[in-house]
Amino acid sequence: DSGVTQTPKHLITATGQRVTLRCSPRSGDLSVYWYQQSLDQGLQFLIQYYNGEERAKGNILERFSAQQFPDLHSELNLSSLELGDSALYFCASSAPQRDLGTDTQYFGPGTRLTVL
Amino acid sequence: AQSVTQPDIHITVSEGASLELRCNYSYGATPYLFWYVQSPGQGLQLLLKYFSGDTLVQGIKGFEAEFKRSQSSFNLRKPSVHWSDAAEYFCAVGAHIDYGGSQGNLIFGKGTKLSVKP
Repeated sequence: DSGVTQTPKHLITATGQRVTLRCSPRSGDLSVYWYQQSLDQGLQFLIQYYNGEERAKGNILERFSAQQFPDLHSELNLSSLELGDSALYFCASSAPQRDLGTDTQYFGPGTRLTVL
Repeated sequence: AQSVTQPDIHITVSEGASLELRCNYSYGATPYLFWYVQSPGQGLQLLLKYFSGDTLVQGIKGFEAEFKRSQSSFNLRKPSVHWSDAAEYFCAVGAHIDYGGSQGNLIFGKGTKLSVKP
């Protein structure tokens, strides 16, 4: 158990709908990352938040958005869903390790999204 | 641009045999390297990481990896594979973070699926 929690575990919805995925980071971690894992694209970075502020964006569609709240939990919002959005969505968190030069990311169990 | 290549999509080894999973990276500066394992229906678990120092790093579950700068490689090894090691293994590279604005996301390889024969 990494200490990162994600809800829900599974989500089944229809095309055109909107869903919200939730992530609670490990205690003390300030950074939250969202990744998408699909068969054709593999693991792709979507977006990062650090202490409530957006820090970096990857291959995130305009239909997708995220935010990190004052209690540091994060939500990923996916709207106007398409069949191709079906994937496993992971959240990861990390704590600053300034003396090491980079952080270690710990991953949650993921949310499996199925769009029908 | 940063990239990670895992040349083997699927490897099958016999239980008790040794294992080596290959990983090659492309990165302009000193890389920060990671190996994660994903069991079926599970999340990603960190096996080990290389930030600096000794190029041979030890991880959990008896795994080790060796960083070879000259070959841009970070191969994962285990001397004796157990049936419970059957999973998908991902190599990843991360960037230096200055905490003033640069991103710290990971770039992942496509993964190597390991099957273990009894």
